[in-house]
Amino acid sequence: AQSVTQLGSHVSVSEGALVLLRCNYSSSVPPYLFWYVQYPNQGLQLLLKYTTGATLVKGINGFEAEFKKSETSFHLTKPSAHMSDAAEYFCAVTLMDSNYQLIWGAGTKLIIKP
Amino acid sequence: KAGVTQTPRYLIKTRGQQVTLSCSPISGHRSVSWYQQTPGQGLQFLFEYFSETQRNKGNFPGRFSGRQFSNSRSEMNVSTLELGDSALYLCASSSKTGNYGYTFGSGTRLTVV
Repeated sequence: AQSVTQLGSHVSVSEGALVLLRCNYSSSVPPYLFWYVQYPNQGLQLLLKYTTGATLVKGINGFEAEFKKSETSFHLTKPSAHMSDAAEYFCAVTLMDSNYQLIWGAGTKLIIKP
Repeated sequence: KAGVTQTPRYLIKTRGQQVTLSCSPISGHRSVSWYQQTPGQGLQFLFEYFSETQRNKGNFPGRFSGRQFSNSRSEMNVSTLELGDSALYLCASSSKTGNYGYTFGSGTRLTVV
C-alpha cells in the first residue's frame, strides 16, 4: 500500500534560517505530489504540486520542492524563514491507479523562533 | 472566483444526535471530497463525489454518509453521533481529477458533548 512519511512532527527554525521539511513516499509508480499548508483554524492551502516535467517545483510564499525519484522524496524548502510561515505542513501523494485519492502524511508543525 | 464554502463553521451537538454539514465547491468543480481531521488521527479521507456519484470511500462506519447534488454542492451526514466524532471536517473540490490539486474550505468544527 502507498504511504507518505513526514519526518518530524515538529520542526523549529530561527527566523531567517533555512526551512527543510521532509517527505518520503512509497509507491511503485510515479505519483503526483503535493504540499499543503494549514494555518490555525483554517482549511488547507495548496503550496505547490508536482505532476510531470521539471522536478524542481516552485510554489507560493517562496517555497519550493524537488522530486527525487531515486530517493522517493519530495522535500519542501524555503531559503529564509519568516514568522508568518509558522503553520502545519502536509505532504500528499495521489496515484492514477487509486482514482486520484490523496494519501496524506501526518503533518509537520513548523515553529519559527524570533 | 469564490472559494469552497463550508457551513456551518462551528457546531455543537449531543451524543446520539445527527448532523448535516454542507459544502459548496468552486464554480465549475465537479469533484468534492470530505476529510475528517483530528489531532490523534490526522487527516482521514471520508469519501469523494463526482457528478453526483460516490467515486471513492474511506474506511468509516456507515453512520457517515454523503451525497452530491446536480449543482455539485455536497452534504455530509453523521448519524448517532459519538464523542469521537468531534473533529474538523474539511471539504475539498477539484475541477476534474485530483492530480490538479484540491482547493479546501475552511472546515466545520464539530464538537460532540
